[in-house]
Amino acid sequence: AQSVTQLDSQVPVFEEAPVELRCNYSSSVSVYLFWYVQYPNQGLQLLLKYLSGSTLVESINGFEAEFNKSQTSFHLRKPSVHISDTAEYFCAVSLRNYGGATNKLIFGTGTLLAVQP
Amino acid sequence: DTAVSQTPKYLVTQMGNDKSIKCEQNLGHDTMYWYKQDSKKFLKIMFSYNNKELIINETVPNRFSPKSPDKAHLNLHINSLELGDSAVYFCASSQGLGPELPTSYTFNYGYTFGSGTRLTVV
Repeated sequence: AQSVTQLDSQVPVFEEAPVELRCNYSSSVSVYLFWYVQYPNQGLQLLLKYLSGSTLVESINGFEAEFNKSQTSFHLRKPSVHISDTAEYFCAVSLRNYGGATNKLIFGTGTLLAVQP
Repeated sequence: DTAVSQTPKYLVTQMGNDKSIKCEQNLGHDTMYWYKQDSKKFLKIMFSYNNKELIINETVPNRFSPKSPDKAHLNLHINSLELGDSAVYFCASSQGLGPELPTSYTFNYGYTFGSGTRLTVV
């Protein structure tokens, strides 16, 4: 079975400071990796994903995540955060698919990024 | 032009009632899902349908019955609502990666979520 661990339930940080949100996963087979963001009282938006290729993936709003297979991690980083980045961040995995229906997403418990002025 | 739309956005109802939540996607995806987000924000899969066929049913009480009239719609009906059913329910869709699809398609691979339905049972 697969599982996702986000050890930090809340990460307070000052505006313009760097931040790292940690994500570790457990799986006996290869997986796809995702980060989703949920702003207050809103739905889930895809932030970035790793499917294959370069292990460093970037989003359009300055976030990046690096897939580390040996450490089974997919930590999310941003060099300088803004107040508007305050949201809940979810790491998720799904089984690698080589045909047929896609597989379910398995989520971590989420990390609240609280950016303070 | 909403990709995955759910209705209603908010639903307040009394214990014992029966209610439905509707979901529609216009992305042409072949797989749809229902996820439940509890009060601690934990997200868990409930059901998954692929081309109108149920493929995932995750130990959900049989008071919950999904229905997929076509691959663009997945509705959730809940009978005899209980206090513990209060949560946010998210619909999502995705497209399978068949071996015949070009490699470039993987750039669009992912799951698209609706904006959620906040169900409150009183």
